[in-house]
Amino acid sequence: SQQGEEDPQALSIQEGENATMNCSYKTSINNLQWYRQNSGRGLVHLILIRSNEREKHSGRLRVTLDTSKKSSSLLITASRAADTASYFCATDAYNNDMRFGAGTRLTVKP
Amino acid sequence: DAGVIQSPRHEVTEMGQEVTLRCKPISGHNSLFWYRQTMMRGLELLIYFNNNVPIDDSGMPEDRFSAKMPNASFSTLKIQPSEPRDSAVYFCASSPRTGRDTQYFGPGTRLTVL
Repeated sequence: SQQGEEDPQALSIQEGENATMNCSYKTSINNLQWYRQNSGRGLVHLILIRSNEREKHSGRLRVTLDTSKKSSSLLITASRAADTASYFCATDAYNNDMRFGAGTRLTVKP
Repeated sequence: DAGVIQSPRHEVTEMGQEVTLRCKPISGHNSLFWYRQTMMRGLELLIYFNNNVPIDDSGMPEDRFSAKMPNASFSTLKIQPSEPRDSAVYFCASSPRTGRDTQYFGPGTRLTVL
């Protein structure tokens, strides 16, 4: 069963704009991860944020985590056409595995 | 490292046939995962191995699906008999220690059951 749910399901922006995607989850977590999937390919890990962290950066990516609201956001700044992909959040479950949400489909128009 | 290797990349078969998907995890990784992805159901975890032992197989749809990991460098996912609703992309992923670590995904096997 899915643990995380991304919002929105789809997002379309112009190149250079910022893209924000949100993830909500239901139970306590140890960490939350964000992945990207280009069409027809496997998922690629982007960033991991632990439950005791509130914000993390990696290049143009900024992830926040609010454990009180059981939510996380992924911000991509100065988006590029190459950022077009689906983005998934994943949270750990009781059996030490990760459960993925349904994903946000991001389209960046050149 | 070559990353997670899956074979075949594409498989087209007829209903009722047996299908075997193969995965070679990244060397040294202790955990292996099989996922299925469809438009309707998204990415579903089918089974998770840690140190070659199945830890969670609650996602395996039914008895037609079976997975094995005879050693640390090889796993198979078998569907027998296959049905059209099994058509999906099947991903294998591995992680260094447990499922809470970063997972490294293979390129996937696109299965079409006619």
